[in-house]
Amino acid sequence: DTAVSQTPKYLVTQMGNDKSIKCEQNLGHDTMYWYKQDSKKFLKIMFSYNNKELIINETVPNRFSPKSPDKAHLNLHINSLELGDSAVYFCASSTGYEQYFGPGTRLTVT
Amino acid sequence: GQNIDQPTEMTATEGAIVQINCTYQTSGFNGLFWYQQHAGEAPTFLSYNVLDGLEEKGRFSSFLSRSKGYSYLLLKELQMKDSASYLCATRGNAGNNRKLIWGLGTSLAVNP
Repeated sequence: DTAVSQTPKYLVTQMGNDKSIKCEQNLGHDTMYWYKQDSKKFLKIMFSYNNKELIINETVPNRFSPKSPDKAHLNLHINSLELGDSAVYFCASSTGYEQYFGPGTRLTVT
Repeated sequence: GQNIDQPTEMTATEGAIVQINCTYQTSGFNGLFWYQQHAGEAPTFLSYNVLDGLEEKGRFSSFLSRSKGYSYLLLKELQMKDSASYLCATRGNAGNNRKLIWGLGTSLAVNP
């Protein structure tokens, strides 16, 4: 009965490739997020969707494209991967103030 | 702009009490959060303060002073499993109502 799930948990790929990370929540929340946590542990918001509508779009390279097919799913597609994209990507969902995080996807670009 | 400061590292002894401070500067304020993150895991919610004062939840308490832009997380009866990073985050008001701004976290090591 996982609340927020992400796949894959680990992703190792080469520069220039395109990859996707999937996120699903079964909490019935309206709002979902993508965060990037770098090697210095800084957690930075990338995108947020509310009921499939993009509401937060931070300064992120346009190689990153989120997609929300329904309010329970928020996927992240990354084109032309670069070394600096290596990080842990967390999905989260919220109905109010508390955010519930997925287990994270550790992306390593070689 | 928005800025959050918290100590990088702290060390404490099992059974003791530790206070982790957080100061913030925001253009708008709609709540302060504390999250716990164990190494290699996701952040988990600990507390939320939007009004001044102390919120107590078991061994953990969180305090907020909006006029001073200051909060602290108090951990009592420390256990080894409390070794983790503690993240302070603020939420802005209208326009950024759902966006959290995060501090870099305080890495707490609890020693026997």
